[in-house]
Amino acid sequence: DAGITQSPRYKITETGRQVTLMCHQTWSHSYMFWYRQDLGHGLRLIYYSAAADITDKGEVPDGYVVSRSKTENFPLTLESATRSQTSVYFCASSERGAKLFFGSGTQLSVL
Amino acid sequence: DAKTTQPNSMESNEEEPVHLPCNHSTISGTDYIHWYRQLPSQGPEYVIHGLTSNVNNRMASLAIAEDRKSSTLILHRATLRDAAVYYCILRGSNYKLTFGKGTLLTVNP
Repeated sequence: DAGITQSPRYKITETGRQVTLMCHQTWSHSYMFWYRQDLGHGLRLIYYSAAADITDKGEVPDGYVVSRSKTENFPLTLESATRSQTSVYFCASSERGAKLFFGSGTQLSVL
Repeated sequence: DAKTTQPNSMESNEEEPVHLPCNHSTISGTDYIHWYRQLPSQGPEYVIHGLTSNVNNRMASLAIAEDRKSSTLILHRATLRDAAVYYCILRGSNYKLTFGKGTLLTVNP
C-alpha cells in the first residue's frame, strides 16, 4: 500500500545499545523528517533531509544519526541509547513546499 | 524560525463552529501558515495551509489577517472526532516545520 510506514511500532532497549528506527515512504517525496514527541515539549525536529544524500540537523540532533542513501528510506539511529531518548518518534515526508504526511510513530523505551 | 502563539486549550460544543486563533507577529513574507492536528495516539495530520488569502477545504477554513500577523482556523461544525491538539506552524524556505505545543480542543457532546 502507498504511504509512509515506520517500524517497529514499539521498541524496548537498554541504555548503551544501538537502535535503528526505520521509515519508508512510497511517494518519492523529496523531503523527509524525524520528530520526537515528549510530554511538555510537543514535537521537536531531530533531523531532516531535502533529498537523497542531503541531511541537516533540526532542534535536537545530539545522540542521533541519520542517513538517506535512497529517496524512500530515512533511518534514524541512536548510537548509544540513553533514558532521555525514551520518546515517541514520528517520521514524515513531503514534496517541496507541500503538506507533510506523518507515519504512525515508534514508541521507544530505553531502560 | 518565526514562532507562533496559540492558547493552550479551548472548548466547544458539538455542531457549533470553532475558531482557533494563532498569532505570528514575526512572520516573514515567504512563510506559509500551516495547520495540523493530532488525534490521541496518532501522528499529526495536515488540515490546511495558506500564504495570504483565506483558504477553504473540506476539513476547515483558514482566515489570514491582512497584515499576516495572525490567523484563525475555523471548524464550521465541530464533531467529537475533531477533539485533538491543533498546531499552527510557519513553514519557511527550508521547508521544515517547527511545532509548538498547540491548542488542545475539547468538544462537548
